[in-house]
Amino acid sequence: DAGITQSPRHKVTETGTPVTLRCHQTENHRYMYWYRQDPGHGLRLIHYSYGVKDTDKGEVSDGYSVSRSKTEDFLLTLESATSSQTSVYFCAISGGQLDNVLTFGAGSRLTVL
Amino acid sequence: AQSVTQLDSHVSVSEGTPVLLRCNYSSSYSPSLFWYVQHPNKGLQLLLKYTSAATLVKGINGFEAEFKKSETSFHLTKPSAHMSDAAEYFCVVSGSFGNEKLTFGTGTRLTIIP
Repeated sequence: DAGITQSPRHKVTETGTPVTLRCHQTENHRYMYWYRQDPGHGLRLIHYSYGVKDTDKGEVSDGYSVSRSKTEDFLLTLESATSSQTSVYFCAISGGQLDNVLTFGAGSRLTVL
Repeated sequence: AQSVTQLDSHVSVSEGTPVLLRCNYSSSYSPSLFWYVQHPNKGLQLLLKYTSAATLVKGINGFEAEFKKSETSFHLTKPSAHMSDAAEYFCVVSGSFGNEKLTFGTGTRLTIIP
């Protein structure tokens, strides 16, 4: 997990509240990704970024937004959390679009009651 | 379109015996294939990567995988299991341009019996 940290690592919140997860990298990598991990689904891409202020949607983007104002930080926001967003969220980085190798953070476990 | 199927959700082996984790894929392109490992409460870590240079790929911790195009398979093996191998393993395919096109399998949990 060297070079990439996620915060918070654990969070419990209530339905309807906003939640922001932070991913911070020290590798100066251009590409950053947010995934969610759920039993029976593997990892699914939520959003990704290919540069400062450049983001795009992934496979399961509904209910999520992202922002990247600095190379090192990629924020994932749940505007109004729902129980279906209870999951483990992983941030990943890569050195280039053709790199194909991802380095993952340790994950953020979110529980929405 | 691309997909990946991990044929076993759970595999148990005794320490010191061989490990086989099975993965089949489909891709419209010439694929890149990966195995990642996830230890409890940790992020995923790359075990090995296939990108058409050689069909037998060696990874970390004694793992290897063989790309078989005729069988559309990329099975992960290790000759002798160690207790520290207990983890969840993910097969991943990238069949087209860009990391956003990666497709993850649903995972195989490996249990090592002492």
